[in-house]
Amino acid sequence: DGGITQSPKYLFRKEGQNVTLSCEQNLNHDAMYWYRQDPGQGLRLIYYSQIVNDFQKGDIAEGYSVSREKKESFPLTVTSAQKNPTAFYLCASSQITGLNTEAFFGQGTRLTVV
Amino acid sequence: KQEVTQIPAALSVPEGENLVLNCSFTDSAIYNLQWFRQDPGKGLTSLLLIQSSQREQTSGRLNASLDKSSGRSTLYIAASQPGDSATYLCALDTGKLIFGQGTTLQVKP
Repeated sequence: DGGITQSPKYLFRKEGQNVTLSCEQNLNHDAMYWYRQDPGQGLRLIYYSQIVNDFQKGDIAEGYSVSREKKESFPLTVTSAQKNPTAFYLCASSQITGLNTEAFFGQGTRLTVV
Repeated sequence: KQEVTQIPAALSVPEGENLVLNCSFTDSAIYNLQWFRQDPGKGLTSLLLIQSSQREQTSGRLNASLDKSSGRSTLYIAASQPGDSATYLCALDTGKLIFGQGTTLQVKP
């Protein structure tokens, strides 16, 4: 099936550890995004990428890092510098040119710091 | 800076009612506007995409409109059902997706 796959669904991290969240898409989309969602709040943009080997900071990039070595993959690393990492993380992808620029989302990863 | 506002934050209606969700934005320089649905603990499901040059889009009981000059979009849901209960989010594509805070809808049987 075509779509976006995020893994794992649930992730627990000890304080001081780095963790990496996976996001893979087989839609041949150019753009990929990472968002953070806290309870009762909207989505805040962490990082986004419109082309392989290039990415831009969003509104809350501090404490996070990304890479875009392949078109299909956009992993997010939550570093120990992120002071409050417990949240729901959502990955999305879209085409950036043409008639259909609809964005699609994965099912999310819930990260909890223990 | 683009700001997106959704009103109301929460809405409760009896089954069968027609309802309107609102989304307003401050900068009309957008590529498109998209409405999503989010069920608790889940990802977002795309409902409708309106390109910048379009005025409205329809899918089943849903109709979304876009008025860039006034910085507004509405999502109209006809004959609401309990299964429509969810949070509805609008997002503007300005080269990156910017979201409103969402409207949480409850449809009572």
